[in-house]
Amino acid sequence: NAGVTQTPKFQVLKTGQSMTLQCAQDMNHEYMSWYRQDPGMGLRLIHYSVGAGITDQGEVPNGYNVSRSTTEDFPLRLLSAAPSQTSVYFCASREENIQYFGAGTRLSVL
Amino acid sequence: AQSVTQLGSHVSVSEGALVLLRCNYSSSVPPYLFWYVQYPNQGLQLLLKYTSAATLVKGINGFEAEFKKSETSFHLTKPSAHMSDAAEYFCAVTPYSSASKIIFGSGTRLSIRP
Repeated sequence: NAGVTQTPKFQVLKTGQSMTLQCAQDMNHEYMSWYRQDPGMGLRLIHYSVGAGITDQGEVPNGYNVSRSTTEDFPLRLLSAAPSQTSVYFCASREENIQYFGAGTRLSVL
Repeated sequence: AQSVTQLGSHVSVSEGALVLLRCNYSSSVPPYLFWYVQYPNQGLQLLLKYTSAATLVKGINGFEAEFKKSETSFHLTKPSAHMSDAAEYFCAVTPYSSASKIIFGSGTRLSIRP
């Protein structure tokens, strides 16, 4: 099993550009989530999904969209990137309250 | 509502010394509690978890944590630090529900002095 795979690992955007962060898991987990990690703030939940076709907002959802068309994939979309979205993004899947994290995407918005 | 407080954003110990990373939680219902470790440029991985069985939980790499309900604490310890333990450590809490959100603390960076 590959676990949770995130692409790309690094990305630089200009303000106003859009992009999609990809996340895929091969463990057949129903629950998936996106976090952002900023210095001194731990991990903050952006969006999560309890199964295909079901998504919900976390604590910092503004500026991000998600969809969950399959169990395996949970992409995160930035519609119009802002410098405040410079961060490290982690995708995770979950089974029995244990989170399995991807390696992260480091995003810089200039 | 649940919350987690990690005391000390940075802890530095000498190699071979005791490691103690503090975590206090707030939960309106009995919680599940976790410690995750993040090595540089990697994602988080589970170190150990408490799920209402034994209050002293043993994890990987010689770490353990004790659930103390009276103190609402779940501190992480290791008797003897190794250089390879240098990482960031996150405490997390969730109530007894498979669909509930997991709340993470702000993290403690552990440095090991030679």
